[in-house]
Amino acid sequence: QSALTQPASVSGSPGQSITISCTGTINDIGIYNFVSWYQQHPGKGPKLMIYDVYSRPSGVSNRFSGSKSGNTASLTISGLQADDEADYFCSSYTTNSTRVFGGGTKLTVL
Amino acid sequence: EVQLVDSGGGLVKPGGSLRLSCAASGFTFSDYTMNWLRQTPGRGLEWVSSISSRGTNTYYADSVKGRFTISRDNAKNSLYLQMNSLRAEDTAVYFCARDPHRRFDLWGQGTRVTVSS
Repeated sequence: QSALTQPASVSGSPGQSITISCTGTINDIGIYNFVSWYQQHPGKGPKLMIYDVYSRPSGVSNRFSGSKSGNTASLTISGLQADDEADYFCSSYTTNSTRVFGGGTKLTVL
Repeated sequence: EVQLVDSGGGLVKPGGSLRLSCAASGFTFSDYTMNWLRQTPGRGLEWVSSISSRGTNTYYADSVKGRFTISRDNAKNSLYLQMNSLRAEDTAVYFCARDPHRRFDLWGQGTRVTVSS
């Protein structure tokens, strides 16, 4: 069982927006703004999409955005494209100086 | 090209040992904390170990403490994970990852470790 809770799957049509939630506790998401999101296509290593809750690495589309409220972080993807279909994982730094991950959400672009 | 290339995975019997390697290129390896993480269908992604940029500080998940050793050779731009006393639950795809600050901004492609008799 993963430390952070994500929905197992979400779906949307091309051009639509979707949001993936990631729920933790006061000991991780609730206390730190060190939340990151990763995209993983089958057979590949994860790719950093969002860090420090809101920030986007250079080269990541501005269609990807992050937010946080209390113990829950969210990733929003707007203007869905076929290549967005992948698994998405959230992660947070914790009060134990470790990192925890969500179980992953499979995004299907219909 | 900025990249990490993982290698060294394979099939090993319970109680056996394996050494993973990660070759870095395209960036100043010695500037970064580096990590090993692993992924299984059942447990998802799990942080395993990290090492500071100069190799002076190392950290381990409780599940591998005392069995795994992380190390690096900055002259060779390489990261290593020595895994001893391997168990079935260590079966996973292992990734090395770069850590500029509380995030993993560059990952290897992964190397598969299977522990089975």
